[in-house]
Amino acid sequence: AQRVTQPEKLLSVFKGAPVELKCNYSYSGSPELFWYVQYSRQRLQLLLRHISRESIKGFTADLNKGETSFHLKKPFAQEEDSAMYYCALKRSGNTGKLIFGQGTTLQVKP
Amino acid sequence: GAVVSQHPSRVICKSGTSVKIECRSLDFQATTMFWYRQFPKQSLMLMATSNEGSKATYEQGVEKDKFLINHASLTLSTLTVTSAHPEDSSFYICSAGGGVGGAFFGQGTRLTVV
Repeated sequence: AQRVTQPEKLLSVFKGAPVELKCNYSYSGSPELFWYVQYSRQRLQLLLRHISRESIKGFTADLNKGETSFHLKKPFAQEEDSAMYYCALKRSGNTGKLIFGQGTTLQVKP
Repeated sequence: GAVVSQHPSRVICKSGTSVKIECRSLDFQATTMFWYRQFPKQSLMLMATSNEGSKATYEQGVEKDKFLINHASLTLSTLTVTSAHPEDSSFYICSAGGGVGGAFFGQGTRLTVV
């Protein structure tokens, strides 16, 4: 069965500190992994996708197939990064259907 | 980027009545849309896949007679919560698109059944 696990419900750091939001997945095929972010009172929006290997708002995430992980990292957290972050998995070839992790609330304190 | 719009954003209804939620793709056509349910401080749970011109595909444990989905055009999917009860109160979110660019989400609908 496909599953996405985000072990931390809440991650609280001070501004300027490094951040790592953990995500592990379970899927026997070749998954596509995403990070979505939901800022307060806003809709869910795409932050990162593993296939593009890009850095958005200073965040990066590397797919580690050996560890079945897709952790989200940022070297220096900013207050505006405070939000809910969801890791999501899409089965290859399956348009749009996403399996979400439980979500991690990132709180960046001044 | 592409825009997905939901309406209404908030609705309160009496127990036993039905409520319809609309999901529209505003600037692209979507043969497939998805409906999620989100409980407070919890993750999104996929309820069903809405397929244009054919029956929706429901996830295990989701009552198809309770949550009626219609996808009559390439830009509109509707979710009707029939005979709503307080336990149906939740945040319902739709999405469309989702190729390599990731899915686009509606702003969500807060349903409160009293």
